[in-house]
Formats: sequence, structure tokens, C-alpha cells
Amino acid sequence: AQTVTQSQPEMSVQEAETVTLSCTYDTSESNYYLFWYKQPPSRQMILVIRQEAYKQQNATENRFSVNFQKAAKSFSLKISDSQLGDTAMYFCAFMKRGSQGNLIFGKGTKLSVKP
Amino acid sequence: GAGVSQTPSNKVTEKGKYVELRCDPISGHTALYWYRQSLGQGPEFLIYFQGTGAADDSGLPNDRFFAVRPEGSVSTLKIQRTERGDSAVYLCASSPTRSEGSSGNTIYFGEGSWLTVV
Repeated sequence: AQTVTQSQPEMSVQEAETVTLSCTYDTSESNYYLFWYKQPPSRQMILVIRQEAYKQQNATENRFSVNFQKAAKSFSLKISDSQLGDTAMYFCAFMKRGSQGNLIFGKGTKLSVKP
Repeated sequence: GAGVSQTPSNKVTEKGKYVELRCDPISGHTALYWYRQSLGQGPEFLIYFQGTGAADDSGLPNDRFFAVRPEGSVSTLKIQRTERGDSAVYLCASSPTRSEGSSGNTIYFGEGSWLTVV
């Protein structure tokens, strides 16, 4: 079975600074996808960034980038130039290729961006 | 509609009662998913529909839980004989086709139905 671990229950960062959220996972699969989702108080899960395991290049989306270390089974999220609107819960998720949207989530990290 | 719509937003029910939660996916999306998010946890997969049929119901915790999608659009999650442990946010999501994580098949989530069993 696959597991996803987020070891930081809470993090805080000053506005405009950079913060990194950690995620590790355990799997015996070779083909899979990794995701970071943001959940603001509205409860809606919003996709931040995705990574295909077969791609060595780290994914980037504007201020968001990942550090994907496949051998170490690590998938951290870096948020640059943090904004007040980035305040939310962040969830790391794993999906085995072919599992039809069966995402396995970590417990989340609560990020607070302070003015 | 513009996004995934879920009703009710909040529901309080007594232990032992029957509950229905409704999900209206994004128009044209053939894949629909239900997740359950307990307090302090990440969402857990319950069931996946492709069209009208339940393609994967491996996440349903027991036979008190059942979901339908009779016309391939709106879905209803049904919980019989509710227990206090069923209290959670129930999230619905949809995607254009079954998601393989590719950029063309992003899973879009609704805002969830917060169920409290007292």
C-alpha cells in the first residue's frame, strides 16, 4: 500500500519570503503521479502543481516549484514570494498510474503567511 | 455549471438517520469521484464513477454507504443508519475523463458537504 507523509503540521512565513513544505511517500510502484493541492477555508481542493514520476525535470507553476527526488521518495513544494492569499492547508498526494483518480493524500500542512 | 456544486453545504443529523448528499459535476465531465475528509486528515477516496457506472468502489467503508449516478451527471451519496464516526466533510470531484494525472484531465473539487452526526 502507498502512504504519504507530511511531517510539518504547521508552517509560517513572512510575506514575500520563500517557504518549503516537505512530503515523503512510500510505494513499490514505478509509474505514478504526485500532486500538491491547496485547501483554503472554503474547503475546495485546488490543484497547485503536478509531477509525473517518469519526468526527471522538476515541475514549476509561476511562484510554485517542486523538488522531486525519486530515489529518496521525496516531493517538496517551494513557494516563492509568498502572498497573503497563499494562507491555506497544503496537501501532498500520490496517484498510481491507472488507478482512476484514486488519490492518496497526506495529513496536510497548515501554512500561514504573515504580513 | 461553472464548478462542482455540492448540496447541502452543512448537514446535522441524528445518529441512526438516513442522509443523502448531492453532487452536480462540471458539465460534460464523465468521471466523478467522492472523497471523505475527517477532521485533521487528508481526503480519503470513496468511489469513482465513469459515466453511470461505479468503476471503483473500493473506498466505501461498509455497506451503509452507497452512491448512484443514474444519468451520468448528478450523483448522490447515501448513508444509512448514520454513526457519529461518519461525521466528516464529503468532497465530490469531477474530471473530463478518467484522470491519469495528465494536464488535460485535472480533477476539480467542490467545496464539500460538512456532515455532523449527533
